[in-house]
Amino acid sequence: DVKVTQSSRYLVKRTGEKVFLECVQDMDHENMFWYRQDPGLGLRLIYFSYDVKMKEKGDIPEGYSVSREKKERFSLILESASTNQTSMYLCASRPQHGSSYNEQFFGPGTRLTVL
Amino acid sequence: DAKTTQPPSMDCAEGRAANLPCNHSTISGNEYVYWYRQIHSQGPQYIIHGLKNNETNEMASLIITEDRKSSTLILPHATLRDTAVYYCIVRGVGTSYGKLTFGQGTILTVHP
Repeated sequence: DVKVTQSSRYLVKRTGEKVFLECVQDMDHENMFWYRQDPGLGLRLIYFSYDVKMKEKGDIPEGYSVSREKKERFSLILESASTNQTSMYLCASRPQHGSSYNEQFFGPGTRLTVL
Repeated sequence: DAKTTQPPSMDCAEGRAANLPCNHSTISGNEYVYWYRQIHSQGPQYIIHGLKNNETNEMASLIITEDRKSSTLILPHATLRDTAVYYCIVRGVGTSYGKLTFGQGTILTVHP
């Protein structure tokens, strides 16, 4: 089974802190994604990466950065956390080719609270 | 990517078929219809996708109208574990490396 894991299920940070959210997938997928999910707004794409060291902005990249140094790991960085970044963060991965090409595999999510 | 419209909520009795509609009247020729669901406190899970033919897999069936302006996801024998938010998504081939745009979805409640 494809597995996407996220470093924490719940995280509480203070305003101004630098926050790292880690995502690891074990199926050698090329594409990886970071979304945030908020009530009434659905899932919104923050950043995605189509290969190692490659990254593209999604719909709401402001206040975030990402790092993809290894194929299996995609990190989301909040440079200076703010209260409006309190949200559920979801990581996903997808192969570039093959029978699962049309399917995104999601991790369990990290619920981040910024105080 | 085309916008989709789904009812905000639906109920279904356990063991009966759940039929979840989705309207995508502005869909264009190269856009696929995808369905995902999200069980409480979990990440979204892929269910099925299709272009114009009806599709079936071990989880569900997808019926797409001939004009492709709407579709229905069918869970043939709903169980309590099928209670979730169901998202209908339309996405073009080769766009944005697989970016998915999730709307509000339909909250399906399966009751005993």
